[in-house]
Amino acid sequence: GAVVSQHPSWVICKSGTSVKIECRSLDFQATTMFWYRQFPKQSLMLMATSNEGSKATYEQGVEKDKFLINHASLTLSTLTVTSAHPEDSSFYICSATGTNTGELFFGEGSRLTVL
Amino acid sequence: GNSVTQMEGPVTLSEEAFLTINCTYTATGYPSLFWYVQYPGEGLQLLLKATKADDKGSNKGFEATYRKETTSFHLEKGSVQVSDSAVYFCALKGGATNKLIFGTGTLLAVQP
Repeated sequence: GAVVSQHPSWVICKSGTSVKIECRSLDFQATTMFWYRQFPKQSLMLMATSNEGSKATYEQGVEKDKFLINHASLTLSTLTVTSAHPEDSSFYICSATGTNTGELFFGEGSRLTVL
Repeated sequence: GNSVTQMEGPVTLSEEAFLTINCTYTATGYPSLFWYVQYPGEGLQLLLKATKADDKGSNKGFEATYRKETTSFHLEKGSVQVSDSAVYFCALKGGATNKLIFGTGTLLAVQP
């Protein structure tokens, strides 16, 4: 099946700094990418939907200035957590879908720990 | 709005035991239903799906039947293996978007 890769898989940062997480589709063109956040023992919460070349659509309650999403090409989307704080510590997962399939393919996830 | 409820884990079973992970949903219209599996250190993978009532999705010995009358999509396997140890997510997709609504996930641990 198609491959979606996230980088980094884990990151530790100091409070107040910004962290960028990349999501790449390795063998297909991802017209739409989704960013999820997963809290311990909780379900994946959809944060935003991004379509290549346009602004991301954020879910209710997600701060767009806090979580900057860029989908500049058909194979790359980035999530930047700006001025991170300990409450932003979480597992962030991206998924992607292409033009030829409605199936979603998921990345391995990125664990962010803010000290 | 749409939602998915699945049984809390962890579920601990011995090898070759029968597995059931319950999943019920709330949705308007006729959603598609999915089970995803997340093995340790990997991303979520689609395990099986069903797109209409009474459909049965199956893969790798796992099965789930779309029951509209009980709004359920329980995951079953007749004989689990240690390699089935993973987190299982029930999910639904409704309407014209590709948005998936996930349950909380159920950790399955199979012991030899």
